[in-house]
Amino acid sequence: DVKVTQSSRYLVKRTGEKVFLECVQDMDHENMFWYRQDPGLGLRLIYFSYDVKMKEKGDIPEGYSVSREKKERFSLILESASTNQTSMYLCASSLGGGNQPQHFGDGTRLSIL
Amino acid sequence: KQEVTQIPAALSVPEGENLVLNCSFTDSAIYNLQWFRQDPGKGLTSLLLIQSSQREQTSGRLNASLDKSSGRSTLYIAASQPGDSATYLCAVSRSGGGADGLTFGKGTHLIIQP
Repeated sequence: DVKVTQSSRYLVKRTGEKVFLECVQDMDHENMFWYRQDPGLGLRLIYFSYDVKMKEKGDIPEGYSVSREKKERFSLILESASTNQTSMYLCASSLGGGNQPQHFGDGTRLSIL
Repeated sequence: KQEVTQIPAALSVPEGENLVLNCSFTDSAIYNLQWFRQDPGKGLTSLLLIQSSQREQTSGRLNASLDKSSGRSTLYIAASQPGDSATYLCAVSRSGGGADGLTFGKGTHLIIQP
């Protein structure tokens, strides 16, 4: 079974802090994704990566950056956390080649105070 | 910009009933469509993936259909059980070879009454 592991289930940070959310997958997947999920807005794509050191902006990249130094790890960085970034963050991965299902981690519920 | 709509937003039915969840999307140029379930406080579990060239996919009591030209998909759940209670999400591939992310609907919150 595919395992996508997010480093924290719950995280509380303060405004202005630099925040790192980590995601690791164990199935050698080429593609990795970061989404955020908010009530009434659903899941929205922040960034994705189709290879090591490659990254592409999703629909709402403002205020975020990502890092993919190794194939199995994809990090989401909040450069200067703000209260409107309080959300559930979900990481996903999939095999390359298209038409492959995305596999999700359990999410990190991030609160910015 | 692609928009995905799911109807109904919530549904409560007695155990044993067959039911249909609906999904529509505005741009028919999709690569695939995926159905997921999400349990409270959890991540998403992939249920079915339908390629743009396919009409339907089946897995156990689940059957998903795709009418790409009309921008619609349905998820049929046969003989519903209390364990099917969850939020069901429909998502379409943004474009290209599937390495792009997904555009999601807001989900249907399903409750199966014992």
